[in-house]
Amino acid sequence: QSALTQPPSASGSPGQSVTISCTGTSGDVGRYNYVSWYQQHPDKAPKLMIYEVTKRPSGVPDRFSGSKSGNTASLTVSGLQADDEADYYCSSYAGSNNLWVFGGGTKLTVL
Amino acid sequence: EVQLVESGGGLAQPGGSLRLSCAASGFTLRNYSLDWVRQAPGKGLEWLSYISSSSVIYYADSVRGRFTISRDNAKNSLYLQMDSLRAEDTAVYYCVIDADYAFHIWGQGTMVTVSS
Repeated sequence: QSALTQPPSASGSPGQSVTISCTGTSGDVGRYNYVSWYQQHPDKAPKLMIYEVTKRPSGVPDRFSGSKSGNTASLTVSGLQADDEADYYCSSYAGSNNLWVFGGGTKLTVL
Repeated sequence: EVQLVESGGGLAQPGGSLRLSCAASGFTLRNYSLDWVRQAPGKGLEWLSYISSSSVIYYADSVRGRFTISRDNAKNSLYLQMDSLRAEDTAVYYCVIDADYAFHIWGQGTMVTVSS
């Protein structure tokens, strides 16, 4: 069982927006503004899409945005495109012993 | 081009050992913190271990005492010594550049299969 909880699936039509949630605890998501999101296409390595809750690395489209409220972080993908279809994982810094925790992943389907 | 390339994966017997390597090209590893992250077949991501630029080390509970992370800045490389391997260690193992409290650059991964 993953430390962070994500819905197993999400979907939307091209051009629409979809939001994926990531729920942790007061010891990880709720404590630190160090939530990141990763996109993984089949048989590929994950790619960083969002870090420090809201920041986008260079080259990531501004259609991807992140937010956080309490123990829950969210990734919103606006203007869905076919290539957005992938698995998305959230991660949070957790400090102390186990530094990092991941969510179980959400499969995003573009209808 | 900035790239991380893992090697050393393969088939190991339960109780056996493997040593994974991760070589960097296009940049120097010495200034970065590094991690190993794995993904079991059809499963999610799991953080395993961290080593800072000054060699401060952390491990996940699942591998502490069995796996050892190390780095050789002269060889621009990261390593993971895996001992006492179990079937549940079967996974793709990724080395990752850790910066700004996120996993910024990932290698392509190397597959480890633990089976008799």
